Amino acid sequence: GDSVTQTEGLVTLTEGLPVMLNCTYQTIYSNPFLFWYVHYLNESPRLLLKSSTDNKRTEHQGFHATLHKSSSSFHLQKSSAQLSDSALYYCALSARNSGTYQRFGTGTKLQVVP
Amino acid sequence: NSKVIQTPRYLVKGQGQKAKMRCIPEKGHPVVFWYQQNKNNEFKFLINFQNQEVLQQIDMTEKRFSAECPSNSPCSLEIQSSEAGDSALYLCASSLSRDWGGTLYFGAGTRLSVL
Repeated sequence: GDSVTQTEGLVTLTEGLPVMLNCTYQTIYSNPFLFWYVHYLNESPRLLLKSSTDNKRTEHQGFHATLHKSSSSFHLQKSSAQLSDSALYYCALSARNSGTYQRFGTGTKLQVVP
Repeated sequence: NSKVIQTPRYLVKGQGQKAKMRCIPEKGHPVVFWYQQNKNNEFKFLINFQNQEVLQQIDMTEKRFSAECPSNSPCSLEIQSSEAGDSALYLCASSLSRDWGGTLYFGAGTRLSVL
């Protein structure tokens, strides 16, 4: 079945350094939708960005990601980490004809330190 | 702030007790999802609805879990006989569309502790 892999459980970064959180997925369907959600402590998870277009960069709030169907990847990046970026980040997959819900990765906790 | 309202925020139950939580989806959103976020922060899909009808549910929810989304009332998720392994954050989300690109809008969750 469809699945999402986030290889890093915890990423600790110094403020100002670039962020890259990995996300790869598996699906037999050719037109997946990929999402990044962010979950701050004591808040509701919310969408950060999403895409279904191959090789097109999607940006929001300083973060960006590009869906690469050739490598089944949708990595999240930011040029310079801020303390306020500390949160849980989830990659999720939805594919037409593959059920009616989004499948989430196991999440990556990003800790930005001074 | 989230427009998906979940109550209660915290729920403490003994093993074997019923546990019920409620969710009011964002206005105009016909699709509602329940996910369980476990202690490892993993999201597990439980069940979803479009209006009052179940779209999909996993095996676990067919046995001890029951859920409904009645017309003009909050949606609810009930565990008939709580087990220690049910301790988790239960997240409700709503969406404008069941289409595969629809964004999920989450509530703050109900944290269930089963003692």
